Amino acid sequence: GAGVSQSPRYKVTKRGQDVALRCDPISGHVSLYWYRQALGQGPEFLTYFNYEAQQDKSGLPNDRFSAERPEGSISTLTIQRTEQRDSAMYRCASSLEVASSGNTIYFGEGSWLTVV
Amino acid sequence: AQSVSQHNHHVILSEAASLELGCNYSYGGTVNLFWYVQYPGQHLQLLLKYFSGDPLVKGIKGFEAEFIKSKFSFNLRKPSVQWSDTAEYFCAVTGHGNNRLAFGKGNQVVVIP
Repeated sequence: GAGVSQSPRYKVTKRGQDVALRCDPISGHVSLYWYRQALGQGPEFLTYFNYEAQQDKSGLPNDRFSAERPEGSISTLTIQRTEQRDSAMYRCASSLEVASSGNTIYFGEGSWLTVV
Repeated sequence: AQSVSQHNHHVILSEAASLELGCNYSYGGTVNLFWYVQYPGQHLQLLLKYFSGDPLVKGIKGFEAEFIKSKFSFNLRKPSVQWSDTAEYFCAVTGHGNNRLAFGKGNQVVVIP
């Protein structure tokens, strides 16, 4: 696609429910990143993939959070047993080349998650 | 791990005024530096970046930033702002060999016509 596409754009869920957030990166982009941004804060790194391989998941806050990218394209970030503190914007980004410090990263519009 | 500080979270100024947003980072090694902007209702987009070479970097829409290694700073400037520059601006850093962007808290800039 023309840009990084995320869905849903807005999600309200009850505490304890599982949530899946989807990211469709720019076509042909090898690397995919997930960030989380709480209100009044900057984005915080969660995890990233090169192709289908998850390279770094050290930013995932706990084991309720997981991500996958089974075919090296679309990725899903799953939050199990959601809690109110999970409320945030979840941003996906992609880059053309294998992730390195020199890459330009392109962000999607984000998915707003509210846990009530 | 790298970290970024941005001050003056809310900035209000009139059209044609000059803008400078401060960014200080903390990292022990060589860094790559970025400024991202988010216009109302849009996604985060890259404004400019510094990897190496000339420490004065020019970006889109008349923005520039200067890397001062001795001060661990990468301040963003624009000599004369327009109403369309109303946006949130984020400074970010990665260390060499490390592609995890560390962002500051952002500056919400409002330009009054």
